[in-house]
Amino acid sequence: GQQVMQIPQYQHVQEGEDFTTYCNSSTTLSNIQWYKQRPGGHPVFLIQLVKSGEVKKQKRLTFQFGEAKKNSSLHITATQTTDVGTYFCAGRNEKLTFGTGTRLTIIP
Amino acid sequence: NAGVTQTPKFRVLKTGQSMTLLCAQDMNHEYMYWYRQDPGMGLRLIHYSVGEGTTAKGEVPDGYNVSRLKKQNFLLGLESAAPSQTSVYFCASSYLTNTEAFFGQGTRLTVV
Repeated sequence: GQQVMQIPQYQHVQEGEDFTTYCNSSTTLSNIQWYKQRPGGHPVFLIQLVKSGEVKKQKRLTFQFGEAKKNSSLHITATQTTDVGTYFCAGRNEKLTFGTGTRLTIIP
Repeated sequence: NAGVTQTPKFRVLKTGQSMTLLCAQDMNHEYMYWYRQDPGMGLRLIHYSVGEGTTAKGEVPDGYNVSRLKKQNFLLGLESAAPSQTSVYFCASSYLTNTEAFFGQGTRLTVV
């Protein structure tokens, strides 16, 4: 079955540093979504990428979808304490299959 | 607009007991999902439904059953709870496969 892996599992950064998480699927995806889960909370949708090679930006967040539609990345520029949480990619076909997540902690 | 509501929020079960978790959505969504979340394991799909009256297995379906008799409700059942089923359970729904999924607040289940 479809597997979605994310690296790294954990990332600790100083406030103001950049952060990147990478997502890889074992199969080609029709689209990929990114979610953020704050500590003690539930996942909340951030963005969806559909097209091969697509790049989308949300303020300090940049999302990319690979040319083969099997990988994706999320880059945060100049992290802030509000960025703390776990970031998940999720591959969509009929199912919504989540990656293992990257937990981001910020050192003030 | 309540979105996705899960009940109960917390539950402690003894090994061998049964229970049903209820997920209700008021957004007329076709797709509904049940996940379990364990430390370091991300969100693993248990079962899902693509519409009223349909269910399908996800990655980790063993020990669970589901039903979708009404479009707005997706029930997750544990017939004989085991300590390995101690987890946080999330329900989610979406209108289509290319639209965002909305999550409930989660159910923290402990099996002793």
